[in-house]
Amino acid sequence: DAGVTQSPTHLIKTRGQQVTLRCSPKSGHDTVSWYQQALGQGPQFIFQYYEEEERQRGNFPDRFSGHQFPNYSSELNVNALLLGDSALYLCASNQGTPRTEAFFGQGTRLTVV
Amino acid sequence: AQSVTQLDSQVPVFEEAPVELRCNYSSSVSVYLFWYVQYPNQGLQLLLKYLSGSTLVKGINGFEAEFNKSQTSFHLRKPSVHISDTAEYFCAGSVLSGNTGKLIFGQGTTLQVKP
Repeated sequence: DAGVTQSPTHLIKTRGQQVTLRCSPKSGHDTVSWYQQALGQGPQFIFQYYEEEERQRGNFPDRFSGHQFPNYSSELNVNALLLGDSALYLCASNQGTPRTEAFFGQGTRLTVV
Repeated sequence: AQSVTQLDSQVPVFEEAPVELRCNYSSSVSVYLFWYVQYPNQGLQLLLKYLSGSTLVKGINGFEAEFNKSQTSFHLRKPSVHISDTAEYFCAGSVLSGNTGKLIFGQGTTLQVKP
């Protein structure tokens, strides 16, 4: 079992550009959540996808959007990048209810210059 | 407000000594509580979780945690640490909304094990 996989591992973008990050959940998992972890901080919840719909959203602007595909994989899109968007973006997957353990990927390190 | 607070940003400790990493949660956070470990340039790995039942929870790598509802705490302990335990540790609680949940994380505690 490959666990949660994210791509790419590192990315450098220029202010104002757009970026797409990808996540494949652990086998058997149907729920994908995205978190932003700024340097020296704990992860912050961005949003969660289930059955191809955004089920819950954290306090992030509309520049952050996502998608879930029929195979449960997911994308995180960020438009009009700001320097403050530089962070480690973590994808987590779990199965169904919040009682189940969330498994995290290795993350994508995004640097905005 | 929904919050998880880790009371120590850094905990230095000598190898083979015991350690406790402290975590408090707000009453609006559910009692689904977790401790994760993060090694440099890696994602989060679950150490242990409390969902219900016994208040003493045992996890991987010799770690354990005690859920205390009256003090809204979920402190992580290890009786004897190793150099390899040096990492960032995050306490998290699940905030429920209907049949969904999101994790609220503390700011993290850096455990530095010295030889």
